[in-house]
Amino acid sequence: AQSVSQHNHHVILSEAASLELGCNYSYGGTVNLFWYVQYPGQHLQLLLKYFSGDPLVKGIKGFEAEFIKSKFSFNLRKPSVQWSDTAEYFCAVNAPYSSASKIIFGSGTRLSIRP
Amino acid sequence: GAGVSQTPSNKVTEKGKYVELRCDPISGHTALYWYRQSLGQGPEFLIYFQGTGAADDSGLPNDRFFAVRPEGSVSTLKIQRTERGDSAVYLCASSLLVSGVGNEQFFGPGTRLTVL
Repeated sequence: AQSVSQHNHHVILSEAASLELGCNYSYGGTVNLFWYVQYPGQHLQLLLKYFSGDPLVKGIKGFEAEFIKSKFSFNLRKPSVQWSDTAEYFCAVNAPYSSASKIIFGSGTRLSIRP
Repeated sequence: GAGVSQTPSNKVTEKGKYVELRCDPISGHTALYWYRQSLGQGPEFLIYFQGTGAADDSGLPNDRFFAVRPEGSVSTLKIQRTERGDSAVYLCASSLLVSGVGNEQFFGPGTRLTVL
């Protein structure tokens, strides 16, 4: 069965600081990988996704993530965060050729940005 | 509509009561999913529909939970004899593709269920 681990429960940064949120998954086969974001009072939105091809994926709002297959990791990065990035971030995995229906989510990382 | 919609946005009920939660997916999306998100946790898969049929209900916690999608569009999640532990945000998602690489799910705003 697939699982997702997010290393940080709560991250606090100042504006303009660099961000890296860790994500590791457990599944040996082909995976789709996602980062979702949930801004305060809003619903889950897709930040970026990896299906195949270039392992460095660029998403909205300056976010990017790198898929490292050998490390089973899909860390999220942003070079300079803004106050508006305050939100909950969820890493997720889907095994398209095993259980295509399920997206397995990590427990989330709450990001707080000090203005 | 433009996105996935869910009603009601909030539902407060008493222990032992029956509740129904509704999901209206994006027009044209054949696949529909229900998830449950408890406080401090990520969403947890409950059930998935392809068209009218439940293709995977392995995430339903017990037989008090049931979901239908009679016409292949709107879906209703039904919870019988609610318990306090059922309190959570129930999320619905839909997708255009059924399976395989490229299955992106779009989420609704959720229904916050509180069982007193």
